[in-house]
Amino acid sequence: QSVLTQPPSASGTPGQRVTISCSGSSSNIGSNTVNWYQQLPGTAPKLLIYSNNQRPSGVPDRFSGSKSGTSASLAISGLQSEDEADYYCAAWDDSLTGEVFGGGTKLTVL
Amino acid sequence: EVQLVESGGGLVKPGGSLRLSCAASGFTFSSYSMNWVRQAPGKGLEWVSSISSSSSYIYYADSVKGRFTISRDNAKNSLYLQMNSLRAEDTAVYYCARGPLGYCSSGLCWFDPWGQGTLVTVSS
Repeated sequence: QSVLTQPPSASGTPGQRVTISCSGSSSNIGSNTVNWYQQLPGTAPKLLIYSNNQRPSGVPDRFSGSKSGTSASLAISGLQSEDEADYYCAAWDDSLTGEVFGGGTKLTVL
Repeated sequence: EVQLVESGGGLVKPGGSLRLSCAASGFTFSSYSMNWVRQAPGKGLEWVSSISSSSSYIYYADSVKGRFTISRDNAKNSLYLQMNSLRAEDTAVYYCARGPLGYCSSGLCWFDPWGQGTLVTVSS
């Protein structure tokens, strides 16, 4: 059971906009910033969004993040086939004194 | 180019020990916090441990506290994870990942980039 809660799956057709939610509590998302990682099949994870809504260089602006209270969301616009991957949210947890991850969301591009 | 290369994984019996290494290059290793994150087969990501740039701050997940020890050698640009009293549930791919400058803490902790991972299998 992960500390952060994500839907196990999401899907969309090419060109669509999809969102993935991440729910936490006051000790993690409620008081700290949220990061998102993308893991393509058979590869190591890659930082996609940090500090709620910042994109590392090289990440397309089709990817955006937001946070409100104890929840966060990742939005992907103009969905492409290469976006098919697992997506994980993460945040520091003050009670656990460590980083916690969501269980991951498998995105399928139909 | 920033690069992280893990090594030291393998098959070990329950109760055994293993030491993982992560060789860093392409950046000033001594300035950054470093982390270990694992992924059990077919499962999600689990943060394992974090160490600050000067080794002053060290954190562990409850699942490994007292059994695993993180360390670094800034002169050798290397990160280590000593794993003792290994259990079947420790079976996973272990990733080395760079954190922010200084140390990971509330509001300032992300992992970028990640190494390719090394597989640890605990089985009799």
